[in-house]
Amino acid sequence: IAGITQAPTSQILAAGRRMTLRCTQDMRHNAMYWYRQDLGLGLRLIHYSNTAGTTGKGEVPDGYSVSRANTDDFPLTLASAVPSQTSVYFCASSQGGATGELFFGEGSRLTVL
Amino acid sequence: GQNIDQPTEMTATEGAIVQINCTYQTSGFNGLFWYQQHAGEAPTFLSYNVLDGLEEKGRFSSFLSRSKGYSYLLLKELQMKDSASYLCAVRDSNYQLIWGAGTKLIIKP
Repeated sequence: IAGITQAPTSQILAAGRRMTLRCTQDMRHNAMYWYRQDLGLGLRLIHYSNTAGTTGKGEVPDGYSVSRANTDDFPLTLASAVPSQTSVYFCASSQGGATGELFFGEGSRLTVL
Repeated sequence: GQNIDQPTEMTATEGAIVQINCTYQTSGFNGLFWYQQHAGEAPTFLSYNVLDGLEEKGRFSSFLSRSKGYSYLLLKELQMKDSASYLCAVRDSNYQLIWGAGTKLIIKP
């Protein structure tokens, strides 16, 4: 089934640990995004990539890094996790065009203790 | 600053009609989106408006007034499965999406 796969779906980790959230899409979309969703707030963009080999910073990039070595994969890394990074993380992709609707992965629930 | 406002929570009855409003103040405008998000799941695309007026898609319709910075999502013949959060998002002049916090819709039998 075509779509976006995120892993892990849920993770608890200690503060200070390094963590990579994986995201893979098989729709050949050029643009990919990482959002975090916190209660009472709208989705906030962390990083994005308009095409393989390029990345950009979103609204809340501090403490996070991304890479886009190919079209399909867009991992998000927390170099040294802090409790404020406890959140649900969504990866999304877009085909672009006039509408440019986003297709989301199922999310990764991260708890930093 | 950029801002999207929508009610936090609404309650409606099965079979009825509900209108979820969204007002926005953004740096430029390149389209408005509505997404549906069931609890614990990913958001899914519902509608897109870039010109003023009403877009109808089955039981769901979305309206846009760019001069008023206003949109609404209209859900007709409500079903229990419509219980979800509805997210309003505006694409600004930099083609970045600005998201509202979402409206949690509770459907009662």
